[in-house]
Amino acid sequence: QLQLQESGPGLVKPSETLSLTCTVSGGSISRSSYYWGWVRQPPGKGLEYIASINYSGSTYYNPSLKSRVTISVDTSKKQFSLKLSSVTATDTAVYYCARGSPYDLWGRGTLVTVSS
Amino acid sequence: EIVLTQSPGTLSLSPGERATLSCRASQSVSTSLAWYHQKPGQAPRLLIYGASSRATGIPDTFSGSGSGTDFTLTISRLEPEDFAVYYCQQYDSSPLTFGGGTKVEIK
Repeated sequence: QLQLQESGPGLVKPSETLSLTCTVSGGSISRSSYYWGWVRQPPGKGLEYIASINYSGSTYYNPSLKSRVTISVDTSKKQFSLKLSSVTATDTAVYYCARGSPYDLWGRGTLVTVSS
Repeated sequence: EIVLTQSPGTLSLSPGERATLSCRASQSVSTSLAWYHQKPGQAPRLLIYGASSRATGIPDTFSGSGSGTDFTLTISRLEPEDFAVYYCQQYDSSPLTFGGGTKVEIK
């Protein structure tokens, strides 16, 4: 069955770029009806949508983060990625990758802490 | 951006009781409304999509209703595993947005 797995550094310094990858296993990333997205959750808080992409590279971004976010897809590796630049402590969160709209499949999440 | 307001913030109930959760949108989202629950340390899980359709594997104790701006999630009989935080999400327009959540706790 299809599974998603986030990977990337758990600690990022302020002003640097956070980079995460989501690997899709057990199925295809190229099904045209699906979007693949990133959602984050600061400790003890609610969910925040970051960005979405489909297999052909069509993208959507949260306007509040758009100036700092890049989402990309590599269908050959069955991966999609997130880059968030100029991070501050407020970007500390659990970052989830997910499939669809709405999100019917989620990764387990990865905690990224922004600290020097 | 569409703002989703969930109420109440916390619902204190006993196992076996009925839970009614509300989600109100700042503008119409038609029926493009989903519900999730999230247990501590876990990713959210999709419960309801299209305002009223149950996701795969979700028991019929969960039901959703509403359209436009007012939506309701009902849990007809709370099981111990249902005590969690519940979020609504609209996917009618970008950016996708989530409500602030309702915590269903054991009374």
